[in-house]
Amino acid sequence: DVKVTQSSRYLVKRTGEKVFLECVQDMDHENMFWYRQDPGLGLRLIYFSYDVKMKEKGDIPEGYSVSREKKERFSLILESASTNQTSMYLCASSLLGLAGDNEQFFGPGTRLTVL
Amino acid sequence: DAKTTQPTSMDCAEGRAANLPCNHSTISGNEYVYWYRQIHSQGPQYIIHGLKNNETNEMASLIITEDRKSSTLILPHATLRDTAVYYCIASKAAGNKLTFGGGTRVLVKP
Repeated sequence: DVKVTQSSRYLVKRTGEKVFLECVQDMDHENMFWYRQDPGLGLRLIYFSYDVKMKEKGDIPEGYSVSREKKERFSLILESASTNQTSMYLCASSLLGLAGDNEQFFGPGTRLTVL
Repeated sequence: DAKTTQPTSMDCAEGRAANLPCNHSTISGNEYVYWYRQIHSQGPQYIIHGLKNNETNEMASLIITEDRKSSTLILPHATLRDTAVYYCIASKAAGNKLTFGGGTRVLVKP
């Protein structure tokens, strides 16, 4: 079974701190994604990556950066955390495919609170 | 990706079939219909997808109308563990980003 793991289930940080959220997948997937989920707004894509060292902006990249140095690991970085970045962060991965047969597998999520 | 429209919520009796509708009237010919669900405090879970034909797997069945403007996800024998938010998504490929709307909040009652 595909497994996507995230470094923390719950995280509390202070405004201005640099925050790293780590995601690891064990199925050799090319694609990896970071979403955030907020009540009433659904899931929104922050960044995604289709290969090592490659990254693409999603719908809400402002205030975030990402790093993908190894195929299995995709990190989300909050350079200077702010209270409006309090949210549930979800990582996902999938095979690279131009057809529609490759579903995304999600991690359990990290609930980040910025005080 | 085409916009999808789903009812906000619905209830279902345990052991009965749950039929979840989705409207995607602007879907293009190369867009698939995906269904995911999210149980409380967990990440979304893939259920099923289809392009034109009806599909069935161990979790559910997907019925797509001939004009592809709408679809129905069928949970044949709903259990309490099926209580979740169900998302219908139209996308060219799962390798691309998925746009999750509000979904349907399904409550399975004993």
